[in-house]
Amino acid sequence: SAVISQKPSRDICQRGTSLTIQCQVDSQVTMMFWYRQQPGQSLTLIATANQGSEATYESGFVIDKFPISRPNLTFSTLTVSNMSPEDSSIYLCSVEVRYKGYTFGSGTRLTVV
Amino acid sequence: DQQVKQNSPSLSVQEGRISILNCDYTNSMFDYFLWYKKYPAEGPTFLISISSIKDKNEDGRFTVFLNKSAKHLSLHIVPSQPGDSAVYFCAASRLLSNFGNEKLTFGTGTRLTIIP
Repeated sequence: SAVISQKPSRDICQRGTSLTIQCQVDSQVTMMFWYRQQPGQSLTLIATANQGSEATYESGFVIDKFPISRPNLTFSTLTVSNMSPEDSSIYLCSVEVRYKGYTFGSGTRLTVV
Repeated sequence: DQQVKQNSPSLSVQEGRISILNCDYTNSMFDYFLWYKKYPAEGPTFLISISSIKDKNEDGRFTVFLNKSAKHLSLHIVPSQPGDSAVYFCAASRLLSNFGNEKLTFGTGTRLTIIP
């Protein structure tokens, strides 16, 4: 399975600022996925990032709030922009490993104060 | 609209006994189902999966059962061990018609506690 390095592991941020989360994969992958897990809730897909094209966002998520970069086949970033306390969540990146399910990064626990 | 539901937020089981975690789904287009285990401060870890063409898949102590007519799947862990204490998520997927790739829909999770 692919190994994903995600950072930062946690951060406490001021309202109105932005945080960029990075994910590095140890192998080339076509699609990378960004999820959010709000307290007590399930993992919700934010967007799918394909190298060389704009990310595809799920209903309820917009590029201005969650810009994503995918400069190559092993790396992606998610930015949480103009943060509010409602953005306090765990953010996870993920890649699909065919026939072996999905591998997740260790997550970024974000607290907005 | 919660398409994948885990109605038990928590479950406690004696060590050595069987743990049964349940999951229901509403979207009949789902054709692939997965279970993930998550420890605190870690990302979910893939545990076991099952395709809709099967009704059972076994891997060591873990068995997943799929009842398509009831839109229900369950994860059996036997015998349960203290290291199994974690949050378990079921997930379902279908092919994305425009990308041809799978997208996961997760349940809300069940916190399993194994009592020594």
